[in-house]
Amino acid sequence: DTEVTQTPKHLVMGMTNKKSLKCEQHMGHRAMYWYKQKAKKPPELMFVYSYEKLSINESVPSRFSPECPNSSLLNLHLHALQPEDSALYLCASSLGHAQETQYFGPGTRLLVL
Amino acid sequence: QKEVEQNSGPLSVPEGAIASLNCTYSDRGSQSFFWYRQYSGKSPELIMFIYSNGDKEDGRFTAQLNKASQYVSLLIRDSQPSDSATYLCAAHSGAGSYQLTFGKGTKLSVIP
Repeated sequence: DTEVTQTPKHLVMGMTNKKSLKCEQHMGHRAMYWYKQKAKKPPELMFVYSYEKLSINESVPSRFSPECPNSSLLNLHLHALQPEDSALYLCASSLGHAQETQYFGPGTRLLVL
Repeated sequence: QKEVEQNSGPLSVPEGAIASLNCTYSDRGSQSFFWYRQYSGKSPELIMFIYSNGDKEDGRFTAQLNKASQYVSLLIRDSQPSDSATYLCAAHSGAGSYQLTFGKGTKLSVIP
């Protein structure tokens, strides 16, 4: 089973709202990732958690706040977003060591008004 | 700067033909390479990964890696209209790296 699930599928929020994106996997993977993808662009890495510790933060604005409550769950807390943050947000996971295959979830389509 | 380069296309092939997608990478330390297929509005789906020089076949797909030339390719045999998508080439940047560097993707259209 190579399934990563993400909720919600779609999200519309105002610039003053607080919302959260959720990602879950039950493959026993120990590395989880958040990517942002704009139309006609490749995914851009935002954060990497390895063994539940934040190991990479690609200079993402503080209005994005990741959280890894356990090895199966990854959240992305959103606050005071800008319209330019509208994008497809992708979660991925891999076994846990570097250089391994990353499996993507279906994504959350976010629109910031 | 570590880069992965792909021809953005679009690449058009007739149904039943072989589609050839190419990718070059700049980081000689890259050790693992991936091809993802992405349909419009959907998330990337893993097609193939390759770590060693040479060819790797999986059904209609063959990945080829030439580390000396820093070149990766994906061949799709007997192309079907359902293969029409954007294909993303990605590389891991050296030992200990969790970071995937993506190319900008090649849009493939298979014409019935």
